[in-house]
Amino acid sequence: KAGVTQTPRYLIKTRGQQVTLSCSPISGHRSVSWYQQTPGQGLQFLFEYFSETQRNKGNFPGRFSGRQFSNSRSEMNVSTLELGDSALYLCASSWGGDSDNEQFFGPGTRLTVL
Amino acid sequence: KQEVTQIPAALSVPEGENLVLNCSFTDSAIYNLQWFRQDPGKGLTSLLLIQSSQREQTSGRLNASLDKSSGRSTLYIAASQPGDSATYLCAVSLIKAAGNKLTFGGGTRVLVKP
Repeated sequence: KAGVTQTPRYLIKTRGQQVTLSCSPISGHRSVSWYQQTPGQGLQFLFEYFSETQRNKGNFPGRFSGRQFSNSRSEMNVSTLELGDSALYLCASSWGGDSDNEQFFGPGTRLTVL
Repeated sequence: KQEVTQIPAALSVPEGENLVLNCSFTDSAIYNLQWFRQDPGKGLTSLLLIQSSQREQTSGRLNASLDKSSGRSTLYIAASQPGDSATYLCAVSLIKAAGNKLTFGGGTRVLVKP
């Protein structure tokens, strides 16, 4: 059974640009969550999608957005990139919509903003 | 607001010694607690999931305990090996939160010396 996949694995962008990251969950999983990991702030929750609906959102500015498709694949978009957006972006998938589900993470996308 | 703390931030032990990693959380109304391992620059690997109704969970050399009333979990790794060197993170999901949202501790970086 394939794990969670994320593309691309590495990205280099400049300030002001926008970027789209993709996440394919484990087959059969309907929930996809996104996290940002930085050395200073650790792992922080961005948002979660379940059945194409955003169900939960962390404390990030509106420049961070996402969506989920009918096949459960998810994308997140960051517009008007800032230097502080440089981070490892991780997505996690789980089977259902309850908080008691085990979550499985992908390898991450390393975003560098110059 | 749920806060998760992991102490110490770093730990170095000789090969063969047992590892004891601590995790504390401020809100006992949790659905579950999950332990992860992260290798440098990589994603998170799920190690153990403990449901709120459980006291402990075991997998091979790993054993995790949960004491909700005191807001603590401990991950034990028996007979450590150099391959156990990694950062270990604990994360909790809250009953009050909708959907799948994990709150992470800052992690404990472990080095097992041959």
